[in-house]
Amino acid sequence: ETGVTQTPRHLVMGMTNKKSLKCEQHLGHNAMYWYKQSAKKPLELMFVYNFKEQTENNSVPSRFSPECPNSSHLFLHLHTLQPEDSALYLCASRPTGQGNTEAFFGQGTRLTVV
Amino acid sequence: RKEVEQDPGPFNVPEGATVAFNCTYSNSASQSFFWYRQDCRKEPKLLMSVYSSGNEDGRFTAQLNRASQYISLLIRDSKLSDSATYLCVVPTSGGSYIPTFGRGTSLIVHP
Repeated sequence: ETGVTQTPRHLVMGMTNKKSLKCEQHLGHNAMYWYKQSAKKPLELMFVYNFKEQTENNSVPSRFSPECPNSSHLFLHLHTLQPEDSALYLCASRPTGQGNTEAFFGQGTRLTVV
Repeated sequence: RKEVEQDPGPFNVPEGATVAFNCTYSNSASQSFFWYRQDCRKEPKLLMSVYSSGNEDGRFTAQLNRASQYISLLIRDSKLSDSATYLCVVPTSGGSYIPTFGRGTSLIVHP
């Protein structure tokens, strides 16, 4: 276990549904990330948060809406998704201010949009 | 040139073989490098960091070549359990420190 927990692990939703993915870490990390991994594709960065502030939005469609209420929690709100949004969504965190350190990943949420 | 490039493979090797992967990166200012391992349908997990002087951990050796802007991963005495995708990570920095992943190299170790 990396200390980064994602829920739910699996999610099936219709295109008109609204759902949220949750990421939680109590490692004291101040940087948190959302990545998307589609089948046979590399990890794509979606959003970056540093000290609860969004610092990167990698041209992600507005049907994905992140929220970071505190340094330990990160959400990804989903609304009116498309079937091509089906993918593994990974959350990661890393400490800041300690040089160049690796990122720790949650186990991911496998999302299927029907 | 893509930020981080890897040969997707697959590399298909017998048990006991030695196999090496390379990863090229475009940002010459990058200071840290990592190799992650990802098993099918699982999250990436850190395998090892790559230091300027090289790094060895058991059967695994990682090296950095700054002049040619690539890092390498060498696996000796391959085991069946080494079968996975190996992801090269080169953080980019600017406004934010962002771990940037290569597409990964698939390794299949067979009996």
